[in-house]
Amino acid sequence: LAKTTQPISMDSYEGQEVNITCSHNNIATNDYITWYQQFPSQGPRFIIQGYKTKVTNEVASLFIPADRKSSTLSLPRVSLSDTAVYYCLVGDDNAGNMLTFGGGTRLMVKP
Amino acid sequence: DVKVTQSSRYLVKRTGEKVFLECVQDMDHENMFWYRQDPGLGLRLIYFSYDVKMKEKGDIPEGYSVSREKKERFSLILESASTNQTSMYLCASSFPAGGPPEKLFFGSGTQLSVL
Repeated sequence: LAKTTQPISMDSYEGQEVNITCSHNNIATNDYITWYQQFPSQGPRFIIQGYKTKVTNEVASLFIPADRKSSTLSLPRVSLSDTAVYYCLVGDDNAGNMLTFGGGTRLMVKP
Repeated sequence: DVKVTQSSRYLVKRTGEKVFLECVQDMDHENMFWYRQDPGLGLRLIYFSYDVKMKEKGDIPEGYSVSREKKERFSLILESASTNQTSMYLCASSFPAGGPPEKLFFGSGTQLSVL
C-alpha cells in the first residue's frame, strides 16, 4: 500500500492560488491519485482524481509528474470557504486497497 | 445526489453498553464502509462490505463488528463500549468503478461519546 506524505497545515489568503503537494514514493503501476476535501462537521468529499499528467475540473487541478512519485493539488483563487482539510489517497480499484486516509493538510484561508 | 444518512449526529453512551450506529445509502451502492476519525490521526478504516452479508476487516476492527443484511444499510456495532471508542464515526458508500478507484460518498458523521 503506497504511503502518502502531506504537509500538516498551510495558510493562504483569499484570491491566491494554493498548491498542496503529496509525496507517494511507493506508488504502484495501477495506482490512481485521489483527493478529498473535508469541512468541519462533515464527511470528506471527492474533489479530483488522476493517473498521470494533468487533470482539471471545475474545482481544482491535479498535476502529476512523469515519475508519479508526487502530485500537486492546485486550488485557483481560494476563498474563505475553501478552508478545510485536504486528503491525498493513492491506490487502485481494489476495494480493500486504497481506502486509507492519512492525516491530511489543514488549509486555512485568511481574509 | 447520493445521500448517505447516519442515524444519529450525536450519541452519548455508558461504558459497557452495546452501541449500534446505523448508516443508510440511497444509491444502490455495492460497497459500504465505516471509518473513525480522531484528531491528528485522520480517518481510519474499521470495516467495509462489498456485498450483502459480506464484510472485511479494515485497519482497526478490534472492539467492533458490523452487519449488512440489506444492500442499503450497514451497521456498526460496539459490543461493549469503552472510553477509547469516543470518536467521530463516518459511514461511506461507493459503486465499483471497474477501473479507477471508486468515489466514496460520506455521511455527516456520528460523534459518539462513551462515559
